[in-house]
Amino acid sequence: EAEVAQSPRYKITEKSQAVAFWCDPISGHATLYWYRQILGQGPELLVQFQDESVVDDSQLPKDRFSAERLKGVDSTLKIQPAELGDSAMYLCASTLGYQETQYFGPGTRLLVL
Amino acid sequence: KQEVTQIPAALSVPEGENLVLNCSFTDSAIYNLQWFRQDPGKGLTSLLLIQSSQREQTSGRLNASLDKSSGRSTLYIAASQPGDSATYLCAVRQAGTALIFGKGTTLSVSS
Repeated sequence: EAEVAQSPRYKITEKSQAVAFWCDPISGHATLYWYRQILGQGPELLVQFQDESVVDDSQLPKDRFSAERLKGVDSTLKIQPAELGDSAMYLCASTLGYQETQYFGPGTRLLVL
Repeated sequence: KQEVTQIPAALSVPEGENLVLNCSFTDSAIYNLQWFRQDPGKGLTSLLLIQSSQREQTSGRLNASLDKSSGRSTLYIAASQPGDSATYLCAVRQAGTALIFGKGTTLSVSS
């Protein structure tokens, strides 16, 4: 069964350093999402792509976060500089259409020291 | 602004018991509602998707219902097993938005 791939699975970094996360959605899924999940909370959307275009990045802290999906397939989420409050699980999801099931990857757990 | 609430926040039951998890949402204008399972430190696994025109969906021992007009959904788990122990999240989809999640219910099933 096709899955959403994410890497790395875990990342430990120091405050003010740059980090990057990678996501490869299920083949053929045009819509890709990045969510952030703080421990004990539900995931919250950071950015949504439709093919290579950003559909919603209203909750993305654009002073330090950036996201791209250059060829409309895989995607990269970057944080520069990382802050202590960025420690969280970063989840990628994809879907075939807006009425379809969203499939999530295993996530990247980030710890900022 | 849509808000999703899940009650209870945590639940402990003995193996074999049937149980119900609750999810409520404030804006009934949704496209669909999805239930997920999350094991500690892992990603989300989709359990059931209910479209706004549907009343319920079933998969094995799981049954999810949706009452859009009252803003409520329930996830029924029959004959619970220790392997069902996890956090269960519900999320709603509205026009032009990504999923909006509740905080989840953490279920513990003891043998």
